[in-house]
Amino acid sequence: ETVMTQSPATLSVSPGERATLSCRASRSATNKLAWYQQKPGQAPRLLIYDASIRATGIPARFSGSGSGTEFTLTISSLQSEDFAVYYCQQYNNWPGTFGHGTKVEIK
Amino acid sequence: QVHLVQSGAEVKVPGSSVRVSCKASGGSLSNFAVSWLRQAPGQGPEWMGGVIPAFGASNYAQRFQGRVSITADESTNTAYMQLNSLSYEDTAIYFCAQGEANWFDPWGQGTLVTVSS
Repeated sequence: ETVMTQSPATLSVSPGERATLSCRASRSATNKLAWYQQKPGQAPRLLIYDASIRATGIPARFSGSGSGTEFTLTISSLQSEDFAVYYCQQYNNWPGTFGHGTKVEIK
Repeated sequence: QVHLVQSGAEVKVPGSSVRVSCKASGGSLSNFAVSWLRQAPGQGPEWMGGVIPAFGASNYAQRFQGRVSITADESTNTAYMQLNSLSYEDTAIYFCAQGEANWFDPWGQGTLVTVSS
């Protein structure tokens, strides 16, 4: 299986600041990479697919980039509702696999 | 967009089986793959397997092969996941979601399965 490694495990950010989350794949995922946001007691919510395409209804402050084994999710100006756990998932190699998540907390 | 609603929390003893349902509203399950994933406390989601209701064919992750069964009933727009031979390590939140070979969207609300003696 393709192992997904996310860093950092926890990111402390002040509201209005920029957050940059990283995701590394143990082998190439080409551009087959999705990002999800999960809040306590809720299911994951799709933010980004195909590495850089925002899902329906996702604000423009969320952007994804990268290809191959290195990917980044950027939140340009953190809002209060953005404090959550973020997961990356590759779907280039079967079966699709997720990282362990990055928790974005209020600084 | 399709909305997925799962059955309620379950408490099971080791060695038993659990069956969780996932009913779709606002659209048909038939035309899309439905997957089941689980999430243990503090961990990322893990794909267990999926089914394409229109074809009836299921795929399973290797670690669950032989212990999980994923089916769909087109007449009721409902998918099911049955997991057998439960152990304490199967305690987790179980989610259904549309998708299999790509991203997952939308997701059901999740069903907590607790394995306890």
